[in-house]
Amino acid sequence: GAGVSQSPRYKVAKRGQDVALRCDPISGHVSLFWYQQALGQGPEFLTYFQNEAQLDKSGLPSDRFFAERPEGSVSTLKIQRTQQEDSAVYLCASSLGSSRANRQAFFGQGTRLTVV
Amino acid sequence: AQTVTQSQPEMSVQEAETVTLSCTYDTSESDYYLFWYKQPPSRQMILVIRQEAYKQQNATENRFSVNFQKAAKSFSLKISDSQLGDAAMYFCAFGGKLIFGQGTELSVKP
Repeated sequence: GAGVSQSPRYKVAKRGQDVALRCDPISGHVSLFWYQQALGQGPEFLTYFQNEAQLDKSGLPSDRFFAERPEGSVSTLKIQRTQQEDSAVYLCASSLGSSRANRQAFFGQGTRLTVV
Repeated sequence: AQTVTQSQPEMSVQEAETVTLSCTYDTSESDYYLFWYKQPPSRQMILVIRQEAYKQQNATENRFSVNFQKAAKSFSLKISDSQLGDAAMYFCAFGGKLIFGQGTELSVKP
């Protein structure tokens, strides 16, 4: 596609529900990132993929958060047993390569998750 | 730990004037990238400008330029000839996996 696409744009979940957020990166982009952005805050890094390999998951806040990118393209961020503190915008970004020359990340419009 | 600090939660500028947004960071690395991103209400992050730490020359993109002071770990963004469309949240970010600051909300007065 022309840009990074995220779905759904908005998600309301009842506390305790599981949710799955999808990210379609730009075709051919090797690197994929997930961020969590609370209201009025800057995005916080969650996890990073290079192709299908999850190279860094140091930002995942708990074991309820899980991300995958099985074929090195589309990625899914799953949150189990959602809590109110999970309410945030979840941003996905992709970049062409992993080298310093290809560090420009392109962002999707995010998924706004509200846990009630 | 790597941190990014934006000390100005809000800034305001008159249309056609110049405004400077501040950013400081902390790292032990010697070679890295720094970025300024713009986030309008649509939420989509848009890259404004980037700077490679090993380059001494300050980056410039049309009306946007940076003042990069490596020793001071300072990376400010200057917007010249401000336009109404420049109004947005601006985030400074560091490194390959992007460590973001807290953001500065810029308003532009007509």
